[in-house]
Parts: sequence; structure tokens; C-alpha cells
Amino acid sequence: TQLLEQSPQFLSIQEGENLTVYCNSSSVFSSLQWYRQEPGEGPVLLVTVVTGGEVKKLKRLTFQFGDARKDSSLHITAAQPGDTGLYLCAGDSGGSNYKLTFGKGTLLTVNP
Amino acid sequence: DTAVSQTPKYLVTQMGNDKSIKCEQNLGHDTMYWYKQDSKKFLKIMFSYNNKELIINETVPNRFSPKSPDKAHLNLHINSLELGDSAVYFCASSSGANVLTFGAGSRLTVL
Repeated sequence: TQLLEQSPQFLSIQEGENLTVYCNSSSVFSSLQWYRQEPGEGPVLLVTVVTGGEVKKLKRLTFQFGDARKDSSLHITAAQPGDTGLYLCAGDSGGSNYKLTFGKGTLLTVNP
Repeated sequence: DTAVSQTPKYLVTQMGNDKSIKCEQNLGHDTMYWYKQDSKKFLKIMFSYNNKELIINETVPNRFSPKSPDKAHLNLHINSLELGDSAVYFCASSSGANVLTFGAGSRLTVL
């Protein structure tokens, strides 16, 4: 069974601070996705990283896929209250099994 | 125009009852899913259908029965509801890239 460990589980910071969330596994994934879930809503895709060592930027969010494609990180610069939510990473092991493995998420609260 | 819509949004019922949650997607995706999110926010796949054919059936009790009348719809019927079934159930769909579009969730509370 493939597992994805996310850390930290909870993170509460002040507006303007920087933060990094981690997603680690002992398994190799063909790609890894990051989702953000707001209260009362379903997860929404932020980014997909595919190549080992890949770095993608989405405004103040920077996503990195580890060289060995076993881990990923999400860095947020100058966090804002609108960044508050549950951040989920999900690994795709490839093939046609149509199955993603989700981490347990990092619940981020950005206080004004 | 909601891409993945599921109903009802909230469902409160007694133990032992039978209930259904419906899901529809207008994205033209071939694959649809049911996920369960527990109180600790852990998202776990239950079922997946591709073109109306069941392709993933995780270790879910037989009381849960999915049904896909066509590739745009995937419903979930639950028999003999138990307290432990209380959770948020998410429907999702995807194209071949395995990138999921989720519905807004259906919060089931079993009393």
C-alpha cells in the first residue's frame, strides 16, 4: 500500500509569514498533485508536478517535486487569510488504475 | 454551471435507514469516483467507474452500492446505515490524466 505522509498536520500563522508544507513517501509516483480544500467545499486542484526536480510557481505558491519523485513540498510566500484551507497532496502511481493516493492533509490557518 | 454536482448537500438520518446520494458531471469525463472524508479530513477512495464499468472497489462494506446509469452519473446507495458511516462523501470525475474535479460534498450524519 502506498502512503503519503504530510507535515505538519496543523499550521497556524500570521498574515505575511512564509511557510512550507511537506509530502513524503517511500514510493515513487509518476506525478503528484496538490489540492486545496476550503470549508464546505470539495478539493480543488492547484498544480500537478510530473518530472523529478520540477519546480512550479503559482503566484505566491511554489511547488517542488523531489528528484526521486517520492516527495514534494509546497512553499507559500507572504501568506494571506485567503490561503486558509486544507492542503492535500495526492500521488499518481501511473498506469490505468485510476487511483490516487491522498495524504492526510495540512490544515493551514492564516490569521489577519 | 456546476461541473460536478451532488445531492443532497446535507443528510441527517437514523441508524438502520437506507439513503442515496446522487452525482452528475457535465465535463464529459469518462471516469467517476466516490470518496469518503472522515472527521480527521482523511480522503479515501471507495469506488471508481470508467464508462459505467466498475474499476475500483476498495474494502467497502456491501451495504454501499454504487450505480452508474450512464457515464455522466454515479449514485451511491447505502443500506442499513451505521453511526460509523457519518462522514462527508465526495463525488469526483476525471479525464484520462487522473486529475480530479470534485463535487462540493454530501455531509451524512447518522444518529
